Amino acid sequence: GENVEQHPSTLSVQEGDSAVIKCTYSDSASNYFPWYKQELGKGPQLIIDIRSNVGEKKDQRIAVTLNKTAKHFSLHITETQPEDSAVYFCAAARSGDKLVFGAGTILRVKS
Amino acid sequence: GAGVSQTPSNKVTEKGKYVELRCDPISGHTALYWYRQSLGQGPEFLIYFQGTGAADDSGLPNDRFFAVRPEGSVSTLKIQRTERGDSAVYLCASSLRAGANTGELFFGEGSRLTVL
Repeated sequence: GENVEQHPSTLSVQEGDSAVIKCTYSDSASNYFPWYKQELGKGPQLIIDIRSNVGEKKDQRIAVTLNKTAKHFSLHITETQPEDSAVYFCAAARSGDKLVFGAGTILRVKS
Repeated sequence: GAGVSQTPSNKVTEKGKYVELRCDPISGHTALYWYRQSLGQGPEFLIYFQGTGAADDSGLPNDRFFAVRPEGSVSTLKIQRTERGDSAVYLCASSLRAGANTGELFFGEGSRLTVL
């Protein structure tokens, strides 16, 4: 089955700097790659996703890139703000199949 | 309500007891998922329903765990003979559909289970 690895496990950045979180996946048939943000005491919430027919997607300060050949994808957050502090999870799935999540990255944005 | 609702939010029980956790998905969402999240880990898949039937229960760790969704809406996760290792946050999520294209999962806030 699918296995998703995520790193780093923790990341501290200064407010205004960029943050990058990377994930690798094992199943070459996976074609859907979402990123979720989880705040303390809450459930994960989708922030951006990408399908395997595109290599990059951007939404304001957030972007995701996908390299299908290398089987890795990354989340990029620019101009970080204190409210970006949270735990971020990547995930991967085949069409219609369950999401398999990475172990998460704790992002701390220092003001 | 507008979102996925899970009850109870917290449950403390003793080893060996039976527990039920309830999930009320977003109205109209046909797919419902149960995940388990241990401290410092990502959500771990347990089971998902498409309508009333369990489409994939491969994540249930053993036969002490069972889930139902009799009318295709509310779901209950049932854990028999609880063990200390069952302690975790149990997350429920719903989606408009599971099918040709996996879509956004909307998660509830979870039920935190503590087995003493």
